[in-house]
Amino acid sequence: SAVISQKPSRDICQRGTSLTIQCQVDSQVTMMFWYRQQPGQSLTLIATANQGSEATYESGFVIDKFPISRPNLTFSTLTVSNMSPEDSSIYLCSVDRLPGAANYGYTFGSGTRLTVV
Amino acid sequence: RKEVEQDPGPFNVPEGATVAFNCTYSNSASQSFFWYRQDCRKEPKLLMSVYSSGNEDGRFTAQLNRASQYISLLIRDSKLSDSATYLCVVNDAGNMLTFGGGTRLMVKP
Repeated sequence: SAVISQKPSRDICQRGTSLTIQCQVDSQVTMMFWYRQQPGQSLTLIATANQGSEATYESGFVIDKFPISRPNLTFSTLTVSNMSPEDSSIYLCSVDRLPGAANYGYTFGSGTRLTVV
Repeated sequence: RKEVEQDPGPFNVPEGATVAFNCTYSNSASQSFFWYRQDCRKEPKLLMSVYSSGNEDGRFTAQLNRASQYISLLIRDSKLSDSATYLCVVNDAGNMLTFGGGTRLMVKP
């Protein structure tokens, strides 16, 4: 079945800098999503990455802070801009209807553990 | 009020026990439902989809009650390897997933 590769798996960054996270799927998928999971909490959707158009952001998240690219049907990036310690979190990409999956459902990348110091 | 609510636990059970988790959701227009499992420091992984007719996968049984807007997961004959956080996930229209806060299960020898 298809595989999602997310990198980096972890990073420690200085406040005020930016980090770009990459998500690569080895098959074409329609929908790609970016989630955040803060320590001890569940997942919150940041945005839907749309191929060929601007991402759709959820309440509380803005493009200037979390710019997203989706240049094709297999790849997306999320940038965490001008980071502060409050951005320390796990960031996960997700796709739906992964080709070859035994179950309908959403599959997640392995996540990027970000620590801002 | 949270859109998807779960008892955070932890549920501490001995090996071989049967344990049940419930989850309630607030959006009556929700269309599909899932249970995910998340191990410590790992990404969530789909455990099973939940259908109105109920579905079973080995030791795991999921039920959906649309009238009462709750979802359940039953684990029979618990194994040590079942220790994890179980996330109730609801898919509203437009492919938006809403996650419950998760229920932590610890199975002990």
